[in-house]
Amino acid sequence: SAVISQKPSRDICQRGTSLTIQCQVDSQVTMMFWYRQQPGQSLTLIATANQGSEATYESGFVIDKFPISRPNLTFSTLTVSNMSPEDSSIYLCSVGLAGSYEQYFGPGTRLTVT
Amino acid sequence: ILNVEQSPQSLHVQEGDSTNFTCSFPSSNFYALHWYRWETAKSPEALFVMTLNGDEKKKGRISATLNTKEGYSYLYIKGSQPEDSATYLCAATTGGGNKLTFGTGTQLKVEL
Repeated sequence: SAVISQKPSRDICQRGTSLTIQCQVDSQVTMMFWYRQQPGQSLTLIATANQGSEATYESGFVIDKFPISRPNLTFSTLTVSNMSPEDSSIYLCSVGLAGSYEQYFGPGTRLTVT
Repeated sequence: ILNVEQSPQSLHVQEGDSTNFTCSFPSSNFYALHWYRWETAKSPEALFVMTLNGDEKKKGRISATLNTKEGYSYLYIKGSQPEDSATYLCAATTGGGNKLTFGTGTQLKVEL
């Protein structure tokens, strides 16, 4: 398994600003992912964070809105840019271990945009 | 687009009751089915990963079954306790990939 921490745990932000969320893993992992859960909706994959190269975004998500960094095998950041109230969600990072089907999740960042 | 559905959306049971939830998913190109337990302000906790038709897995009072031919999985909780109160999520992956497609979850409340 893997122990994952996220910062901040929650934040309230003004529309038009940006927030960067950090994800730290206690061991080197091959795969890191970013998800969000909007109120009443399913957890939805935003992108796969690739170490040393640009993230791979899912349909409906773009780099300009959700820039992602992954400088090494234990750390990633997700920025929510130019926020609007529709960005109010729980944002979670997850990791997948080589040779395993399982994915492990961080505790999430609860974002409220006013 | 992979569509994963869960029912019921929410459930209230009494302590000691046994209960079960359903997860349905497209059976074509199936790869793996995941169950998670998610309490507020905590990380989603991985309960089970199942890949083979007929798989049954158990962890304490919680068990799960998988039918890949008809595209469904059941999660059972025997003798529910208040600490079982949480949202139970299922997610499917297809085609050997790692992308999890989640259902909307079943919110369980166990009352004394």
